[in-house]
Amino acid sequence: IAGITQAPTSQILAAGRRMTLRCTQDMRHNAMYWYRQDLGLGLRLIHYSNTAGTTGKGEVPDGYSVSRANTDDFPLTLASAVPSQTSVYFCASSPGESYNEQFFGPGTRLTVL
Amino acid sequence: GQNIDQPTEMTATEGAIVQINCTYQTSGFNGLFWYQQHAGEAPTFLSYNVLDGLEEKGRFSSFLSRSKGYSYLLLKELQMKDSASYLCAVRDSNYQLIWGAGTKLIIKP
Repeated sequence: IAGITQAPTSQILAAGRRMTLRCTQDMRHNAMYWYRQDLGLGLRLIHYSNTAGTTGKGEVPDGYSVSRANTDDFPLTLASAVPSQTSVYFCASSPGESYNEQFFGPGTRLTVL
Repeated sequence: GQNIDQPTEMTATEGAIVQINCTYQTSGFNGLFWYQQHAGEAPTFLSYNVLDGLEEKGRFSSFLSRSKGYSYLLLKELQMKDSASYLCAVRDSNYQLIWGAGTKLIIKP
């Protein structure tokens, strides 16, 4: 089934630990995005990639890193998790940066204690 | 700074019509988007406006006035399944989406 998947679904993490959130799409989309969603705030862009091999910083990149080794995968890494990174993380993709629709994965609920 | 404003919560009755407003101030404008998000789920695309006027898609319509920095989403013949949050987003000059906090719509029988 074509779409975008994320793993894990949820995770509880001790502060200071390293964590990688996985995102995979099989739609051959060029552009991929990582957002975080916090109660009372809009989705905020963390990092993005307009095509394989390139990445860019969004609105709230500090404490996060990404890589885009191929078209399908766009992992998000928290090098040393802090409680303020407790959030719901959504990965999204679109055929290109100027395409009108972004397709979202189911999200990862991360709690940092 | 960039800002998207929309009401936090609205309540409407099944079968009725509701209008959800969105005002924006962004650095550049390359389109306005509405997404629907049911509780615990991912956002899904509803509509896109880049020119002034009304775009109609079934029971949902979206309006844009670029000069006023204003949009609304109109939902007709409300159904219980329309209970969700509605997210307004603007694509800025860097082609990145700036999102509002969302409007939680509660539908009552």
